Amino acid sequence: EVQLVESGGGLVKPGGSLRLSCAASGFTFSSYSMNWVRQAPGKGLEWVSSISSSGSSIYYADSVKGRFTISRDNAKNLLYLQMNSLRAEDTAVYYCAGATVTTSPFDDWGQGTLVTVSS
Amino acid sequence: EIVMTQSPATLSVSPGERATLSCRASQSVSSNLAWYQQKPGQAPRLLIYGASTRATGIPARFSGSGSGTEFTLTISSLQSEDFAVYYCQQYNNWPRTFGQGTRLEI
Repeated sequence: EVQLVESGGGLVKPGGSLRLSCAASGFTFSSYSMNWVRQAPGKGLEWVSSISSSGSSIYYADSVKGRFTISRDNAKNLLYLQMNSLRAEDTAVYYCAGATVTTSPFDDWGQGTLVTVSS
Repeated sequence: EIVMTQSPATLSVSPGERATLSCRASQSVSSNLAWYQQKPGQAPRLLIYGASTRATGIPARFSGSGSGTEFTLTISSLQSEDFAVYYCQQYNNWPRTFGQGTRLEI
């Protein structure tokens, strides 16, 4: 059974940093593209970033480019999102999601971790 | 950026009825269109990909159609567990973009 478990969310002040993790199990992590999608409270889904299976291809939404960094450790089956210079508008539940390749939809999702940016 | 527009924002239907949800792309996404279902407090779940292919384990009452810029999700006979928010997403271009969602309510 595919499992994706996010962690690392919490309360952070504007301008602060946070690193999210996503632990994967039940599938061959190193063969899958991985993604981060966020959802602000009461709002819709917003794609944040994607990384190919090898990590060689990376994509970001304009809203986070230059502030967020996606990475992965295939030996540990972990996906990361390093978030710097956080703003109030980054407040959201952050989901990690797996896809067969970067050109695929998001097959499997974690339950999400809440990031709150507030002073 | 491709803008995905869903309609209606809210659809009120009764169990057993058919529901038709629409999604329009601001430019062609070919058939690279997915539909997701999200229930309160839960993560989204993939329903349809390739505009018309059901994901694993999705009941046959869910069907998708369309290509290019116009897409439809049809739920043939609504069950109580189908009341949720539905999102379309294009994965043809970067950035990936979602529609704003259609809330299906009783």
